[in-house]
Amino acid sequence: GDSVTQMEGPVTLSEEAFLTINCTYTATGYPSLFWYVQYPGEGLQLLLKATKADDKGSNKGFEATYRKETTSFHLEKGSVQVSDSAVYFCALRLLSRKLIFGTGTRLQVFP
Amino acid sequence: EAQVTQNPRYLITVTGKKLTVTCSQNMNHEYMSWYRQDPGLGLRQIYYSMNVEVTDKGDVPEGYKVSRKEKRNFPLILESPSPNQTSLYFCASSVQGGAEAFFGQGTRLTVV
Repeated sequence: GDSVTQMEGPVTLSEEAFLTINCTYTATGYPSLFWYVQYPGEGLQLLLKATKADDKGSNKGFEATYRKETTSFHLEKGSVQVSDSAVYFCALRLLSRKLIFGTGTRLQVFP
Repeated sequence: EAQVTQNPRYLITVTGKKLTVTCSQNMNHEYMSWYRQDPGLGLRQIYYSMNVEVTDKGDVPEGYKVSRKEKRNFPLILESPSPNQTSLYFCASSVQGGAEAFFGQGTRLTVV
């Protein structure tokens, strides 16, 4: 069935380090792909999205490229900040509008 | 301000005592859904609704009910809560065919 796999955390980085959180998916058809972020005590917020192959989503210094050939949507940021500490969820959306989430990756950034 | 509002934010209850978690959105979205978030499992869909009076089961519907009598509201009902329903619950809404889902702040439910 359709699914999303993302790397387990926590990911622990020093401020200004480079971030990569891996995400791969399995889906029939051509899903839209998303990264959501959950700050402590809050709901999920859309971070970025890509709706077709080779699209690059970007927001707040984060980027992810929809790679159909490797079925991946890895999240990257060149220089993380303490304020980026959160849980990051990769997700895909089917034509049915159902969102399928990965298990989440906790990012901890230390000064 | 566009938002999805859930109440209550925190709830502790006893096994078997019926409860309702409310969800309301002010964006005139057709599609609404409920998720539960559990450690190591991510978010799993409980129920969804594509419009007023149209609801359907998600991946983990057992023990839950929903209703959609008005477009803006989508309450989640636990008729007889059990400890395995202790979880963090999120309501979400989106336009039909739209890509982005808007999430509420979450309801942390503990069933003892």
